[in-house]
Amino acid sequence: DGGITQSPKYLFRKEGQNVTLSCEQNLNHDAMYWYRQDPGQGLRLIYYSQIVNDFQKGDIAEGYSVSREKKESFPLTVTSAQKNPTAFYLCASRTGSRSYNSPLHFGNGTRLTVT
Amino acid sequence: RKEVEQDPGPFNVPEGATVAFNCTYSNSASQSFFWYRQDCRKEPKLLMSVYSSGNEDGRFTAQLNRASQYISLLIRDSKLSDSATYLCVANGGTASKLTFGTGTRLQVTL
Repeated sequence: DGGITQSPKYLFRKEGQNVTLSCEQNLNHDAMYWYRQDPGQGLRLIYYSQIVNDFQKGDIAEGYSVSREKKESFPLTVTSAQKNPTAFYLCASRTGSRSYNSPLHFGNGTRLTVT
Repeated sequence: RKEVEQDPGPFNVPEGATVAFNCTYSNSASQSFFWYRQDCRKEPKLLMSVYSSGNEDGRFTAQLNRASQYISLLIRDSKLSDSATYLCVANGGTASKLTFGTGTRLQVTL
């Protein structure tokens, strides 16, 4: 079955450590996205990538970094510079990022807790 | 003003009722609109895309009003299983950047 896989499902880290969240898709989608969701709030866009080796900052990119070396993979690193990293992180992809009608498909998320 | 705004609710309705949610967007150049459903502590799942002509899928109807810059979702004959948070999505200045509203919570009761 095609889909988006995020790992791990739960992640615990100490403050000051960088941590990398994995996102892999086998849907052959061009575009991939990272969102963050805090309790009782909507999804906020961190980074997105329309094509391999290219990515753009979203609304809350500070303290995060990404890479897009392969079409299938879009890992997100939460750095120690991110002031409030504890959140639910969602990876998504869509085909034809320039196609207005293609919806996002989500992975099942990673819950990061930093203490 | 937020790019995409929704009434957070909760909307508490009895089973069998009809309920409607609106979502306003600020960018008049937006072209892509979607409704997603999110259950507690789960990822959002696509409910339906919203087309200019409106579209219907079973008990669900989505409409787009470009003049007033809002999209709507109508749910007929509500089921207990419809209880969830409904998120609307619109693209921003480019086709690629999709922005979510904060969601409207629906609780369907017996």
